[in-house]
Amino acid sequence: QQQVKQSPQSLIVQKGGISIINCAYENTAFDYFPWYQQFPGKGPALLIAIRPDVSEKKEGRFTISFNKSAKQFSLHIMDSQPGDSATYFCAAVQNAGGTSYGKLTFGQGTILTVHP
Amino acid sequence: DAGVIQSPRHEVTEMGQEVTLRCKPISGHDYLFWYRQTMMRGLELLIYFNNNVPIDDSGMPEDRFSAKMPNASFSTLKIQPSEPRDSAVYFCASSFWTGPTDTQYFGPGTRLTVL
Repeated sequence: QQQVKQSPQSLIVQKGGISIINCAYENTAFDYFPWYQQFPGKGPALLIAIRPDVSEKKEGRFTISFNKSAKQFSLHIMDSQPGDSATYFCAAVQNAGGTSYGKLTFGQGTILTVHP
Repeated sequence: DAGVIQSPRHEVTEMGQEVTLRCKPISGHDYLFWYRQTMMRGLELLIYFNNNVPIDDSGMPEDRFSAKMPNASFSTLKIQPSEPRDSAVYFCASSFWTGPTDTQYFGPGTRLTVL
């Protein structure tokens, strides 16, 4: 059962372009949404994250847009660079406001290739 | 800090053999996680520990899989007997508790191939 659906599976963008990756979820108990970046041969690393009480979060060239009513969120990479070429995973956490650990549920991943 | 250390980085074995994957978390971290990554199923949480105690092993696929954390600086994931469908990249991650959304730091992974 895939609780977080991610699209597209792969994305090719020219240098300087905007990369957009979308995720959707069904479980309304999810209350924290991180994005992870994974380079070949490496483990995933936290890139940026958002809580559902805000609609947008920006860190440098990376922006998360969140639509709570639609249960969708997306990652935008502005001015995409060849060094951004990696696999990106969206994720969701349940019980993020609790006192116990919130388990990560990952999307399937998007392979981003930025051509010079 | 050297980050999360996993060994071996690559493992090739034959069906039926026992496989042991090893992980050294970041010093001071009190949570340790084992994940499996495949093309078909993506990243799945197998089990996690808090202060060396297994908290949730509901992601462990079957009894052939077992995990231990004998001390704060070492954990193992064992598969016995191994099967071709166990072929995947296995990640270990660790974190320091600051709240339910604390960052997990992943190791480089062990690529397991079962022939």
